[in-house]
This record gives sequence, C-alpha cells and structure tokens, in this order.
Amino acid sequence: DIQMTQSPSSLSASVGDRVTITCQASHDITKYLNWYQQKPGKAPKLLIYDASNLETGVPSRFSGSGSGTNFTFTISSLQPEDIATYYCQQYDNLLTFGPGTKVDI
Amino acid sequence: EVQLVESGGGLVQPGGSLRLSCAASGFSFRSYWMHWVRQVPGKGLVWVSRINSDGSGTTYADSVKGRFTISRDNAKNTLYLQMHSLTAEDTAVYYCARDLVASTLAQWGQGTLVSVSS
Repeated sequence: DIQMTQSPSSLSASVGDRVTITCQASHDITKYLNWYQQKPGKAPKLLIYDASNLETGVPSRFSGSGSGTNFTFTISSLQPEDIATYYCQQYDNLLTFGPGTKVDI
Repeated sequence: EVQLVESGGGLVQPGGSLRLSCAASGFSFRSYWMHWVRQVPGKGLVWVSRINSDGSGTTYADSVKGRFTISRDNAKNTLYLQMHSLTAEDTAVYYCARDLVASTLAQWGQGTLVSVSS
C-alpha cells in the first residue's frame, strides 16, 4: 500500500499570503498525484491533476509541482473563499488520500 | 451539467445491510469508471471501491472487501453500493464520484450519511 502524508496539518494565513502545502508518498508515484479542495459541508473538488495540471475553471492562483515522492501545492495569493481543507491523492496504485491540510484565515 | 445524486443512507443497526444508489446525469454514464469514497464526519477521505465502465471489473479497499459490493446499471445511469455486516466503523458520509481518467475524481455527489448504531 502507498501511504500519503501532508504537512502542515493546519495553517492560518492572511489574505494575499502565499500558502504552500507539501505531500509525500511512501513510494515513487511519478506524477500520479491529484489535489482536491473541500469546503465545510461540501463535496471535494478537483483542483490539480497529474501533479501540476490545473483543472478547467480553477483559478490560476492554485498550482502544483513535484514528482516521485515529494509534491507541493501552492496558493499564490490566499483569498477568503480559499478557506477549506486540501487533500492530495495518489493513483499510482489504487487510490490513497493524504490526511488533509486545513487552511484558515 | 454533470450531476451525481446519492441516496439510500440512514441509520442501521450493527450487522445490518444497506444499499446506496448514485443517480448520474449530464454525461455518458456508461463510458466512465465510477468510485465510492467515504468520510467520517470531521475526518479525512477514504477510498472504498471502484467499478469499470461496463461493470465487469471491480476493486475494493481491504476494509470493505467481502462485505461491500459495487455495481452499476448503465441503462438506468445508476451506481450502487451494497453494504453488509455493517459496523460502527462504517459510519460515514458516502460519496460517489466520476473517474475522469486513471482514478482522477472529477465530479462528486453531495454525499449520503450512513450511521451504524444500536
């Protein structure tokens, strides 16, 4: 099984700040990593696929990078509507989600 | 517009059974793999099961293998999850999701809550 870790588990930042979340896989997953946003009481939403590709309609302030075992998700300028929990998900071997990072303002 | 609407959740006693449904619309349901993902309220996302486009291939998480069965009716545009031998650890919101490609979950339903308690 592939295990996923995320850090930090939570963060608080100001509007306009650059926010970075890291995700680490227990095995090499090449680029097979997605990022999702989940707002309270809502279903998850796909933001980034294949580690760095922005899903259609997602604001360009969101980005992803990385390969192998280490990945990064960035919000270049945090907005109030970005308050959510963010999850990474590998799909190299079945599917595994990271534990999530809660972002507050 | 793609829509996924889950139903069938509710309160069930330990050891009981429940069948969840996910009604799909706005896309060619028969062309896509589908998944179930669950989430204990306040906790993280956990993948449960997936099924290929024609229903001939299924995969399960170890935690539900042998107790849950995923299926689909492409004529009715509906995905199912039959759950047996339920325990308190199965209490969660269950989401269905459409697989864009290679287990990238592009659209999700709103979820249905399953509570297992006596």
